[in-house]
Amino acid sequence: KNQVEQSPQSLIILEGKNCTLQCNYTVSPFSNLRWYKQDTGRGPVSLTIMTFSENTKSNGRYTATLDADTKQSSLHITASQLSDSASYICVVSSNTGFQKLVFGTGTRLLVSP
Amino acid sequence: DTAVSQTPKYLVTQMGNDKSIKCEQNLGHDTMYWYKQDSKKFLKIMFSYNNKELIINETVPNRFSPKSPDKAHLNLHINSLELGDSAVYFCASSLGRSGANVLTFGAGSRLTVL
Repeated sequence: KNQVEQSPQSLIILEGKNCTLQCNYTVSPFSNLRWYKQDTGRGPVSLTIMTFSENTKSNGRYTATLDADTKQSSLHITASQLSDSASYICVVSSNTGFQKLVFGTGTRLLVSP
Repeated sequence: DTAVSQTPKYLVTQMGNDKSIKCEQNLGHDTMYWYKQDSKKFLKIMFSYNNKELIINETVPNRFSPKSPDKAHLNLHINSLELGDSAVYFCASSLGRSGANVLTFGAGSRLTVL
């Protein structure tokens, strides 16, 4: 069964600290993996998208890694800011030709002053 | 602003009623989607249209009927609303229907069925 699992479910960190969010998936065949940020009351916004051949991609203070062999990804946030408080959703696309995405349930991050 | 716009943002209604949620995108995308996000924040695909053609229709009760008058609009009509329909519904769009394309989401429409 195609699944995406994220950990931790929630996380509280102090402003300025770094953190790493984890994503494990069993989706097959694999096309790409995306990380989305969803602010409260808003729609998800794409942070990064990685294909099979990419093992790291950065977007400002966000750095995503992908290990396609172990089917794991991580999202590292550097020097966290209050505005980083949001849910972070890992999404894996199955290579079926259509936009078939499998969503994780997200990690809720709270950055505390 | 270029965006995916949904209306209404909030909708509270009684069981058994019929309601619609509208979605429009001005990004020039040709593929649009409806997702349902339940109380556990899990996003699940409901429908997808490419150039007004239905390409994804997941296991959704036939009380839900999408309508795409043109490739910039995808509306969702729900008949005989039930308590379990309460959720946030997200419209999204992309250029192309390949799994490699990035989705742009709307802000969501929170439906509460009493």
